[in-house]
Amino acid sequence: QSVLTQPPSASGTPGQRVTISCSGSNSNIVSNSVNWYQQLPGTAPKLLIYRDNQRSSGVPDRFSASKSGTSASLAISGLLSEDEADYYCASCNDGLNVFCVFGTGTKVTVL
Amino acid sequence: QLQLQESGPGLVKPSETLSLTCAVSGASISSSSYYWGWIRQPPGKGLEWIGSIYYTGSTYYNPSLKSRLTISVDTSKNQFSLKLSSVTAADTAVYYCASPYISSLSIDYWGQGTLVTVSS
Repeated sequence: QSVLTQPPSASGTPGQRVTISCSGSNSNIVSNSVNWYQQLPGTAPKLLIYRDNQRSSGVPDRFSASKSGTSASLAISGLLSEDEADYYCASCNDGLNVFCVFGTGTKVTVL
Repeated sequence: QLQLQESGPGLVKPSETLSLTCAVSGASISSSSYYWGWIRQPPGKGLEWIGSIYYTGSTYYNPSLKSRLTISVDTSKNQFSLKLSSVTAADTAVYYCASPYISSLSIDYWGQGTLVTVSS
């Protein structure tokens, strides 16, 4: 079960800005970095953001992210139809090995 | 460019063991730069971390699956595997292999995913 809570849906018209929140706790978001993934229908997730706010290679600067306390957020500015997808936050920690928790996921619809 | 490819049966009977393999290309499974993990996604639902293994053989299993789960590495074939025993319909999902990068714990590389259905 997910321990990171996201809104189930978000929407906007082309060109608008959409923001997705990710709520966690001291044991995940506060203690570890947050990554964001985009999942287009029928495909594997794709890394968008790592280490809280670093864009992965090739990700347009329309995507940005931040973290504060027990919450993180992903913003998509200049919304495009191709941005319609599911978005997941994730927080991983490693000691002897790695364990990740994922957010509940947010479906972004471009109206 | 690291590439991952899952393989295994698409249909497993209830109470039997689900077995999947992830072939790694473009990197050595003995690399100290990556963990090797499994993630699943039930139809229409979100992502769930199953477990992971490091080249040393160290493993982490999701506590909810730990009693049924085994993840192993085969360095001679450059692949790693998942075995989940006593499956039920609740284990029906798309199973992804993935490689979290050690330095950032971000998953830059994913397999394409394979749907495993548990049904008689």
